[in-house]
Amino acid sequence: DVVLTQSPLSLPVTLGQPASISCRSSQSLAHSNGNTYLNWFQQRPGQSPRRLIYKVSNRDSGVPDRFSGSGSGTDFTLKISRVEAEDVGVYYCMQSTHWPPYTFGQGTKLEIK
Amino acid sequence: EVQLVESGGGLVQPGGSLRLSCAASGFTFRSYPMHWVRQGPGKGLAWVSRISDDGGSATYADSVKGRFTISRDNAKNTLYLEMNSLRGEDTAVYYCVRDNGSPEIWGQGTLVTVSS
Repeated sequence: DVVLTQSPLSLPVTLGQPASISCRSSQSLAHSNGNTYLNWFQQRPGQSPRRLIYKVSNRDSGVPDRFSGSGSGTDFTLKISRVEAEDVGVYYCMQSTHWPPYTFGQGTKLEIK
Repeated sequence: EVQLVESGGGLVQPGGSLRLSCAASGFTFRSYPMHWVRQGPGKGLAWVSRISDDGGSATYADSVKGRFTISRDNAKNTLYLEMNSLRGEDTAVYYCVRDNGSPEIWGQGTLVTVSS
């Protein structure tokens, strides 16, 4: 099974400052079809998860452009250019290249300093 | 508006059974694979099962294989999860999730508590 390791697990950020979350995979997430199925989800307190980014860098509809995804192979990053109060929550990376099973990272808790 | 509404959760004793349902609306249900994903209390997300759009193919996490069965009724726009031989570690919020290349739209979840 593919293991995804996120860092940091806790991320205190000042409002208006940038934030970055790393997701490292135990094996390359490049699919034989040329795509890389690494996704990012946001879970605000008390809410269901919401997909933010799919296939490394594609933002879902309605996701603010301050969120961006990058990376390749085994190393991926979610960046928030300027953190806002509504960004508080837990962020998960998830791979859908090598399934079953689909696997998630442990989650990174973003809080405001 | 795309909506997924789970139901059927509750308190069940170890070894017991439960069937979860997920009513889908706002999209062509039969065109999308679907998942169940769970989240234990205070824990992260864990994939449980996936079913193809026509219901002909299903896959499971090792932790539930042989105990859980995913199914769907495309005429009723409903996804199911039959859970047998339930254990304490199955206690979680269970989410129904639409697949659009990867898990995409999530329901609000239904809580399953396995306890005596």
